[in-house]
Order: sequence, then C-alpha cells, then structure tokens
Amino acid sequence: AQKITQTQPGMFVQEKEAVTLDCTYDTSDPSYGLFWYKQPSSGEMIFLIYQGSYDQQNATEGRYSLNFQKARKSANLVISASQLGDSAMYFCAMREGGGGATNKLIFGTGTLLAVQP
Amino acid sequence: AAGVIQSPRHLIKEKRETATLKCYPIPRHDTVYWYQQGPGQDPQFLISFYEKMQSDKGSIPDRFSAQQFSDYHSELNMSSLELGDSALYFCASSSQGSHYEQYFGPGTRLTVT
Repeated sequence: AQKITQTQPGMFVQEKEAVTLDCTYDTSDPSYGLFWYKQPSSGEMIFLIYQGSYDQQNATEGRYSLNFQKARKSANLVISASQLGDSAMYFCAMREGGGGATNKLIFGTGTLLAVQP
Repeated sequence: AAGVIQSPRHLIKEKRETATLKCYPIPRHDTVYWYQQGPGQDPQFLISFYEKMQSDKGSIPDRFSAQQFSDYHSELNMSSLELGDSALYFCASSSQGSHYEQYFGPGTRLTVT
C-alpha cells in the first residue's frame, strides 16, 4: 500500500504568491516523522522542513511551513511568497518510528512546481 | 556548515563492470543511508549503517554491498553492473540529536552503457 501520496504531479504558481503542495500518509505507528525535500533540476536533494508526530505546533522554516493535520494524516507544505528559484520537484517523505535503527525514509512520487514570473 | 560529500559526482561504466561510490557524512552524524533514484522516480532506500553496523536493508540487489568504516565514511560497491543500475545514488546522514533529519549529499550519477 502506498504510504506517502502526493496527488499533484505538477503545479504552477505566480511569483510572489503562496502555494500549497499536498501530502497524505499512511502509518499505524504512533511515532513517525514527516519531511519535505526540494530537488532542483541539478539533482541535489535539499532538506526543507521536518514535523514529528508528537510535535504540538506546525513546523516553520523561513518561507516554508508545514500544515500538519494528524487526524487527516496530511502534511501539506506551504511556500509563501514564491520565487523563481522555488521551481523544482518537491518530495514528501516519512520515517516510521521515533528514531533508532529504522530511520529509512519512504518518499512520495513528488510534485513538480513551476513558478511563473 | 559542512555537508555530506559524495564521490565521484559522475561515473560512466560498461555492463558487467564494477563501481565504488564513496560517502563522507556530516561530522558527528552517526547514521549513513544509501538511496537510489532512477530517472523520473522517487528515491528508494537501499541500506543504512548506524555506528558502523548495518542497521536496515531495503531493496538492495545482491550484486551490491556496502560498509561503513572506522572514520564513518561509507562505500557502496556495485558489481556486474546492468543497464538498469543507471541512476542517481544518494548518500544521506543523520544524528539522534537532530530528530534523525536526513541530510543528503549531492549524489553520484551513474550511467551504465
């Protein structure tokens, strides 16, 4: 069963506008972590933001925020004031368990974001 | 800040050859992971090491092996290369103190001809 689902293969956004990238997940483990990564066309995988399952507040990192709705099992990424340099593939990923030996990430299929001037 | 270092960045091999990819984790990170990303696909977990011991294993072919050395660098050894092994190979590292956030290296792009 798909554990991480990103239903938007591609999205467009106007420069300076906000955009929300959707991510839903499936796990029976009460302890887990959710991650967002950015992959530009150059190929590197850039860590953006992390949300732990027990975190009370939504994570924020600069222009990135994570809209964490635990009951709905969703962890949407919000990018405010989009910039041309935000054009990239964005992956949502999950780590099951609170840490330790089983820390592997399971990735979604990604959303390709294009920021238009 | 120091990042994960991978070498080489690009590698071209022929079928049935061998390849060795190297990874140098962020200093004081205790866990190293290897992922394989095929063209147009999401990264797939291969294997991980915690404090130089294999900690988890994913969809790694038997033709591949990996280890972590005393200085914490890791190597992924790939033998009898096949065309389907052409991919971007990422190494990532993490530490317990940072919620196991995984920081990825720039990747090694392997092309098998």
